[in-house]
Amino acid sequence: DGGITQSPKYLFRKEGQNVTLSCEQNLNHDAMYWYRQDPGQGLRLIYYSQIVNDFQKGDIAEGYSVSREKKESFPLTVTSAQKNPTAFYLCASSEQFGDEQYFGPGTRLTVT
Amino acid sequence: KNEVEQSPQNLTAQEGEFITINCSYSVGISALHWLQQHPGGGIVSLFMLSSGKKKHGRLIATINIQEKHSSLHITASHPRDSAVYICAVLYGNKLVFGAGTILRVKS
Repeated sequence: DGGITQSPKYLFRKEGQNVTLSCEQNLNHDAMYWYRQDPGQGLRLIYYSQIVNDFQKGDIAEGYSVSREKKESFPLTVTSAQKNPTAFYLCASSEQFGDEQYFGPGTRLTVT
Repeated sequence: KNEVEQSPQNLTAQEGEFITINCSYSVGISALHWLQQHPGGGIVSLFMLSSGKKKHGRLIATINIQEKHSSLHITASHPRDSAVYICAVLYGNKLVFGAGTILRVKS
């Protein structure tokens, strides 16, 4: 079955620690995206990648970093510089940038 | 001000009712997406359209490029349609999301 997976579903970290969220897709999609969702707010784009070894900042990239070394993988690191890291993080992919997106189940990160 | 405005923010309907959710945007776009987010958080893409109308089962999406407006209709609504419906527009290399419409369908 083709799809997009994120792990873990729930993640707890202490303030000051970096944490990496996993996102893997086997849909052979070129484009991948990371979004953040806060309660009562819309999705906000953190980073996106249109192709392997390339990525661009979205609207709220500060305090985050990504890599795209393989087509199927787009991990997101939430660094200690991110002031309000507690949120629901969603990864998505599409055949090309802007095409219909397929979303992963999300990771709920809590930092205390 | 968000460049994508959805209305209503909250909507409660009785099972069987016809539902309309609206999305207005302020810039020229190349495509518009409608997404559905279930209470558990998972998101499903419903439609991507750049003109006209698309239909899938009980869902219909329309877009009017001149008026910069799109509507999502649900016919014969059912409690399982309860979810957050999100509109997103693509212009240039920018994706902008609306805040979502929370729909609750009561049986």
